[in-house]
Amino acid sequence: NAGVTQTPKFQVLKTGQSMTLQCAQDMNHNSMYWYRQDPGMGLRLIYYSASEGTTDKGEVPNGYNVSRLNKREFSLRLESAAPSQTSVYFCASSDLQDLENIQYFGAGTRLSVL
Amino acid sequence: AQSVTQLDSHVSVSEGTPVLLRCNYSSSYSPSLFWYVQHPNKGLQLLLKYTSAATLVKGINGFEAEFKKSETSFHLTKPSAHMSDAAEYFCVARLRGSARQLTFGSGTQLTVLP
Repeated sequence: NAGVTQTPKFQVLKTGQSMTLQCAQDMNHNSMYWYRQDPGMGLRLIYYSASEGTTDKGEVPNGYNVSRLNKREFSLRLESAAPSQTSVYFCASSDLQDLENIQYFGAGTRLSVL
Repeated sequence: AQSVTQLDSHVSVSEGTPVLLRCNYSSSYSPSLFWYVQHPNKGLQLLLKYTSAATLVKGINGFEAEFKKSETSFHLTKPSAHMSDAAEYFCVARLRGSARQLTFGSGTQLTVLP
């Protein structure tokens, strides 16, 4: 049982390059999320998708775009990477019917922007 | 607005001794509260949740937490630490009625000494 799968696990970019982080879940969840984790700051929500076909901004959306490709997949795109986007990125999913919104996380993508 | 404060960024205990990780929340309403654990290079895993039922909540691996409304606290405890407990722990809140968004504390790194 894979749960939430993120690719790639590691990535190094130069300033100005673009890339897409991929996320897929096999739990038939409606809702998916992208977070970034920085030292001493916990996780901060970048974007989320409450259900297929919808996306909304979170706390720190600037510099990012997302695509909810289908129910399983939710990608995060950096159009022009900046050193401030060096971080660990986590994708999560949850069941829209779960009133407590328990989220299930992938293993993360460690991104360095030089 | 709600916030979550984890009072210690690092906690160090000896194997076999009790663990106490402190968390305070600030919210106008009673939130749902969670503790997640993150082992090195892994995603976050749910340890336990408080959702307005019993105030003493038991989770996996012998952890438990007590919701104290008068103190706005939700501290995580374990009677006897094990080496495998070494990880980062996050206290997380969800405002009742809030559709999808969680608020994360900044994390507490637990070190277990032999």
